[in-house]
Amino acid sequence: RKEVEQDPGPFNVPEGATVAFNCTYSNSASQSFFWYRQDCRKEPKLLMSVYSSGNEDGRFTAQLNRASQYISLLIRDSKLSDSATYLCVVLGDSSYKLIFGSGTRLLVRP
Amino acid sequence: SQTIHQWPATLVQPVGSPLSLECTVEGTSNPNLYWYRQAAGRGLQLLFYSVGIGQISSEVPQNLSASRPQDRQFILSSKKLLLSDSGFYLCAWNGGRVDTGELFFGEGSRLTVL
Repeated sequence: RKEVEQDPGPFNVPEGATVAFNCTYSNSASQSFFWYRQDCRKEPKLLMSVYSSGNEDGRFTAQLNRASQYISLLIRDSKLSDSATYLCVVLGDSSYKLIFGSGTRLLVRP
Repeated sequence: SQTIHQWPATLVQPVGSPLSLECTVEGTSNPNLYWYRQAAGRGLQLLFYSVGIGQISSEVPQNLSASRPQDRQFILSSKKLLLSDSGFYLCAWNGGRVDTGELFFGEGSRLTVL
């Protein structure tokens, strides 16, 4: 079983739609979780951290469910510029090791 | 401000040839440095990380090696490339903080082994 699993997509949605991605992780001892964004053929960049109580940053909302070991990202009012691959990331056993999922691709169409 | 550079950006190499990718960080000291690889359509795989000069931890056994000859320099090497070494190689540093989950990546080196 992969340490971090994501649906690869693509999710093809119209502008203005709400879309949600889920990610599951295998290590119940994991403490820190993040979403990164990666544009085509570019390096990944941190989108937001995921806090236990859930957190929001503009149109983006991240949730953590420890009991079920999954993380979610909700994007409201999708923009064309949101088209990218979204990577779920978990801090591993070592504080130095970030474990990346393979990403979920989002396509927002006009 | 801190910046991270890596090069070359793109390279095409024959099977069995050597490899050297270089990464440098500016504007900081004693950074944690990382090499990741992303194969086509797949996630980032951690290859090596380093917490200081000469200190290298390997995550995946393979024909690649890493070295940190200077505080802000991290080099990825291979003596003989395999077809399976093709991918997008990313150097990253932790911004001087641990446990924050934020890595700052270089622009990547796209390697094609033929």
